[in-house]
Amino acid sequence: ETGVTQTPRHLVMGMTNKKSLKCEQHLGHNAMYWYKQSAKKPLELMFVYNFKEQTENNSVPSRFSPECPNSSHLFLHLHTLQPEDSALYLCASSNDRTVNYGYTFGSGTRLTVV
Amino acid sequence: DAKTTQPTSMDCAEGRAANLPCNHSTISGNEYVYWYRQIHSQGPQYIIHGLKNNETNEMASLIITEDRKSSTLILPHATLRDTAVYYCIVRVRGGNKLVFGAGTILRVKS
Repeated sequence: ETGVTQTPRHLVMGMTNKKSLKCEQHLGHNAMYWYKQSAKKPLELMFVYNFKEQTENNSVPSRFSPECPNSSHLFLHLHTLQPEDSALYLCASSNDRTVNYGYTFGSGTRLTVV
Repeated sequence: DAKTTQPTSMDCAEGRAANLPCNHSTISGNEYVYWYRQIHSQGPQYIIHGLKNNETNEMASLIITEDRKSSTLILPHATLRDTAVYYCIVRVRGGNKLVFGAGTILRVKS
């Protein structure tokens, strides 16, 4: 257990469904991130939130909608996805005020779009 | 943030030291070298980071050349559980983007 919890661990959804991924951290970190990892590809940064404010959106399609209600929780709302969106979605958090400056990752949500 | 170059894959015998190289010839003076690893289907795990001095922790050692253009991550006694993809990343301290490349697939064999 890393301190960053992602739910669900696995998700299968149809292209017309709406679902949400949840990420939660109680490490006192101020920044949270969504990454996507498709098969045999490097991790791709999707969104960055710092103190609940979105500071980066890496040209992510609007069918992915992030939400950060507070510094401990991050959601990724999904709707009308395509089969190529099937991937491992990883959440991470960090605290840029600490000496470490490392990221802590969750175990990810394995998403399959059918 | 500067780019890094790593070998695609490496093999290591169990119990031996695993030395993973990374080239970062365009690194800037304020950029740190970070190492993460990702065991199959899990999230990446922070290993170690450094600026210019060699660093050691309970997981690994990081050796940075004097000109800072390359570094080596050393796992002193590799085990089968160290089989993973290892990522070398250079990043400004406090910068809010951690950008991953392809990394090095390390296979530890018995």
